[in-house]
Amino acid sequence: QKEVEQDPGPLSVPEGAIVSLNCTYSNSAFQYFMWYRQYSRKGPELLMYTYSSGNKEDGRFTAQVDKSSKYISLFIRDSQPSDSATYLCAMSANDYKLSFGAGTTVTVRA
Amino acid sequence: EAQVTQNPRYLITVTGKKLTVTCSQNMNHEYMSWYRQDPGLGLRQIYYSMNVEVTDKGDVPEGYKVSRKEKRNFPLILESPSPNQTSLYFCASSLARLRETQYFGPGTRLLVL
Repeated sequence: QKEVEQDPGPLSVPEGAIVSLNCTYSNSAFQYFMWYRQYSRKGPELLMYTYSSGNKEDGRFTAQVDKSSKYISLFIRDSQPSDSATYLCAMSANDYKLSFGAGTTVTVRA
Repeated sequence: EAQVTQNPRYLITVTGKKLTVTCSQNMNHEYMSWYRQDPGLGLRQIYYSMNVEVTDKGDVPEGYKVSRKEKRNFPLILESPSPNQTSLYFCASSLARLRETQYFGPGTRLLVL
């Protein structure tokens, strides 16, 4: 079993919809949680960083961490075609070693 | 311009022929890392370095070596490449830790025959 599980999708939504992404994990030592966005043929870029449990909001993006359930989520409100990308969850126990999920491919239809 | 550079960008080689992929950053970052990306598996960390002469294993270090003799450079060495190391490789750097934005290089596409 992989340490980080993420449904690869693909996920297709109409413009303006809420995109909901999630990951589960098995390593209880993880305490740093991240979401990256990767456009085709590009390197990933950090979207959200959360330490421990709780919610974090940044514009149209909201990240949630539930350590008791070992479950993290990313919500994208008012989705735009420019949000079409692969979204990867990532986690770390020490803020140095990083474990990624497989990534979910999202398409926002205009 | 702040950037992470990787060379070569594309490489075709044969099994067993030693190769080095270079990575260099011009931002005076302490943290550097190597990842490989394979379809269906996402990104997997190979090695990371917290500073000069300080390196540690990621999730998939087997078959790879790294060194950090200078702050700006973090080369990835494949002593005896095998076909299962065919992949897209990314180098990245950040100021000190993962909580800071990682800047990724353009990627190196490696094919081992």
